[in-house]
Amino acid sequence: GAVVSQHPSRVICKSGTSVKIECRSLDFQATTMFWYRQFPKQSLMLMATSNEGSKATYEQGVEKDKFLINHASLTLSTLTVTSAHPEDSSFYICSAPDRGSSSYNEQFFGPGTRLTVL
Amino acid sequence: DAKTTQPPSMDCAEGRAANLPCNHSTISGNEYVYWYRQIHSQGPQYIIHGLKNNETNEMASLIITEDRKSSTLILPHATLRDTAVYYCIVREAAHFGNEKLTFGTGTRLTIIP
Repeated sequence: GAVVSQHPSRVICKSGTSVKIECRSLDFQATTMFWYRQFPKQSLMLMATSNEGSKATYEQGVEKDKFLINHASLTLSTLTVTSAHPEDSSFYICSAPDRGSSSYNEQFFGPGTRLTVL
Repeated sequence: DAKTTQPPSMDCAEGRAANLPCNHSTISGNEYVYWYRQIHSQGPQYIIHGLKNNETNEMASLIITEDRKSSTLILPHATLRDTAVYYCIVREAAHFGNEKLTFGTGTRLTIIP
């Protein structure tokens, strides 16, 4: 199946700094990508939909000025957590559908990025 | 999207079949049942999906009741690597602009040696 990568896999930062997480589709073009957040022992919560060449769509309650999304190419979406605080510590996961394949109804997830804010 | 109900946890002996139930009593006619799993500290992995017929692939089988109000995911010969949280999701078939997945709480399956 298609492969989605994330970088970095884990990051530790100080409170008040900004952190950028990259999500790449390695062998297909992804005009849409999704960003999820997962707190310990909880389920995945969709944060936003990233659209290539246009603004991201944020879910209710997600601050768009705090979680900046840029989908500048057909294979890369970035999530920047601005002015991170300890409560932003979480597991961030991206996903993308491979619209050009027979496995379109599957959705391919990245391995996740664990963010720890001190 | 219709909601799903799953038991929070289950155990299964290694080598036996693992049967994971899911209730989706409010499912509508054009909604599919999808199953994903998440191994600890990894991204979710697609397993299988179906509309009303039973489905089988190299990973699992999906049995959907005739009234479509519930389904069962079957892992025929569970291994330790099948220990994960399994999510049952109900959604219309993916089409452009409708690919979002809404995850519930899932079932934590533990395979016991």
